Amino acid sequence: AQSVAQPEDQVNVAEGNPLTVKCTYSVSGNPYLFWYVQYPNRGLQFLLKYITGDNLVKGSYGFEAEFNKSQTSFHLKKPSALVSDSALYFCAVRETGRRALTFGSGTRLQVQP
Amino acid sequence: KAGVTQTPRYLIKTRGQQVTLSCSPISGHRSVSWYQQTPGQGLQFLFEYFSETQRNKGNFPGRFSGRQFSNSRSEMNVSTLELGDSALYLCASSLGLQGDPNYGYTFGSGTRLTVV
Repeated sequence: AQSVAQPEDQVNVAEGNPLTVKCTYSVSGNPYLFWYVQYPNRGLQFLLKYITGDNLVKGSYGFEAEFNKSQTSFHLKKPSALVSDSALYFCAVRETGRRALTFGSGTRLQVQP
Repeated sequence: KAGVTQTPRYLIKTRGQQVTLSCSPISGHRSVSWYQQTPGQGLQFLFEYFSETQRNKGNFPGRFSGRQFSNSRSEMNVSTLELGDSALYLCASSLGLQGDPNYGYTFGSGTRLTVV
């Protein structure tokens, strides 16, 4: 069965500092990996995805993620955090041959001014 | 273009009642997926419809059901409501089937259901 783990419930970072939100996954086959962001009282917004190819994926709002097959990780990163990045971030995985997405439990990012 | 529209935004129901939530996908999108979001369980997949057919189903009791119409609009129904059904219900639409890497999918803002 496919699964995804976000080990940190909350990440705190100062504005202007780099941020990392961690995600590890478990699948039987090749993974398709996604990051979404949720602002209060809103739905999820797509940030980026890894399908195949380059391990470093660039997405919306300056975010990027690095796919590491040996560590089964797909950490979300941003070189310089903004206060407006404060939100709930979800990692999701789907393995080839399966249709449903499985989401992680979410990580709340707080960027302090 | 218009996004995914979910109605109503908020609902308060009494235990034992039933409720119907609506989702209008982005024009041209044929896939609609439903998720339940709660603080304790996170995002859990309910079901997916594509071209009026249920293609995927999560691990929820039969009280949860859905359907999709020919215009791709979808409804989900919860019968005999329980307090634990209180959640944010999100729908997402896509051109392709859920998780298809060739198509992104867009979430609505959700319907917040409170069961008292």
